[in-house]
Amino acid sequence: KNEVEQSPQNLTAQEGEFITINCSYSVGISALHWLQQHPGGGIVSLFMLSSGKKKHGRLIATINIQEKHSSLHITASHPRDSAVYICAVGVWHNNNDMRFGAGTRLTVKP
Amino acid sequence: ETGVTQSPTHLIKTRGQQVTLRCSSQSGHNTVSWYQQALGQGPQFIFQYYREEENGRGNFPPRFSGLQFPNYSSELNVNALELDDSALYLCASSSGTDYFSYEQYFGPGTRLTVT
Repeated sequence: KNEVEQSPQNLTAQEGEFITINCSYSVGISALHWLQQHPGGGIVSLFMLSSGKKKHGRLIATINIQEKHSSLHITASHPRDSAVYICAVGVWHNNNDMRFGAGTRLTVKP
Repeated sequence: ETGVTQSPTHLIKTRGQQVTLRCSSQSGHNTVSWYQQALGQGPQFIFQYYREEENGRGNFPPRFSGLQFPNYSSELNVNALELDDSALYLCASSSGTDYFSYEQYFGPGTRLTVT
């Protein structure tokens, strides 16, 4: 079982819909990262959080440390939001390590 | 644009050869991490360098090695290439280490194909 699980694997939405992507992890973490990857490979960091909630424009990320769960929400989705969204965690142990989810492929149709 | 650059963009090598990939970090960032992303999968952490010393390593064999230079540029070297090494290799710089509790700034990646 992967230490970082994302759901759903694939998501198709109509423009304007509210979108939620979930991430669960099973290890102790220092921080959780939400990343966006467009076709071609480039990755952009959207959020880094270790508690609570962060908001940037139409994007909101939340984390529940006790439940080891995070969500990424997109309000008023737009076709340009189509990308792969990846959850990653910095792992607490005696060695710097980062573990990634497999990603959620989001397609927003006009 | 993150200010992190990688070269080359694409590379084709033959099994058994050696390859060097390069990364130039964002100005002022003293930490660089390297990742391997196979097609259709999430990235995997290879290793991290902080102030020219390896500061963490994922589950990759010793034939994956790295260097970080005083100007914060870095290299990923892979010896004895195998077909499974075909992947997108990403570097990311950050302003600190501390168990990845600093924002990562990713480069565009180098796509390596091993034939």
